[in-house]
Amino acid sequence: GIQVEQSPPDLILQEGANSTLRCNFSDSVNNLQWFHQNPWGQLINLFYIPSGTKQNGRLSATTVATERYSLLYISSSQTTDSGVYFCAVRYSGTYKYIFGTGTRLKVLA
Amino acid sequence: SQTIHQWPATLVQPVGSPLSLECTVEGTSNPNLYWYRQAAGRGLQLLFYSVGIGQISSEVPQNLSASRPQDRQFILSSKKLLLSDSGFYLCAWSVGRGGSPLHFGNGTRLTVT
Repeated sequence: GIQVEQSPPDLILQEGANSTLRCNFSDSVNNLQWFHQNPWGQLINLFYIPSGTKQNGRLSATTVATERYSLLYISSSQTTDSGVYFCAVRYSGTYKYIFGTGTRLKVLA
Repeated sequence: SQTIHQWPATLVQPVGSPLSLECTVEGTSNPNLYWYRQAAGRGLQLLFYSVGIGQISSEVPQNLSASRPQDRQFILSSKKLLLSDSGFYLCAWSVGRGGSPLHFGNGTRLTVT
């Protein structure tokens, strides 16, 4: 069936460290997004990136659609980066957005 | 610009009581609308989506239903709540048939007691 898998499930970093989060999907997509869920539950849209590479400050993302994966890079992490990171995909030919299992990130001061 | 409104922010309801959560989108026409649920410490589960007025697709058979009485209004309902209906409910919208970003409301935290 349709699957979206994220790794690692949990990550603990010291402030200032870099990290890479991965999202694997199982079919061709016409939408892939990365979200950050803050402690209040709000889902913040980080990147809309069905293919290619984008950067926004300390964050960047790369999607290699032909190999069915996307990576989210966090550099010089800060305590405010803590929370859960989700990727979500919309497979071609559907209206459904399927979420990955999430990566729970904790950045220590 | 487009905005999405979802209310209430928190809700405590007894088992067996009815539920109605409302979501409205402003600033766009004919959006695709979605209801997700997130159990504590878990991921987001798609419950319903709608691509037009009166059209509802159900993803998970359960104690809930959805309706879309107007173009930019999406309602999540239950006739009798169960304890297992507790969770964080999020409404979202997108546009078009191709790739477009998904945008979320702030969510409703429902506790069934």
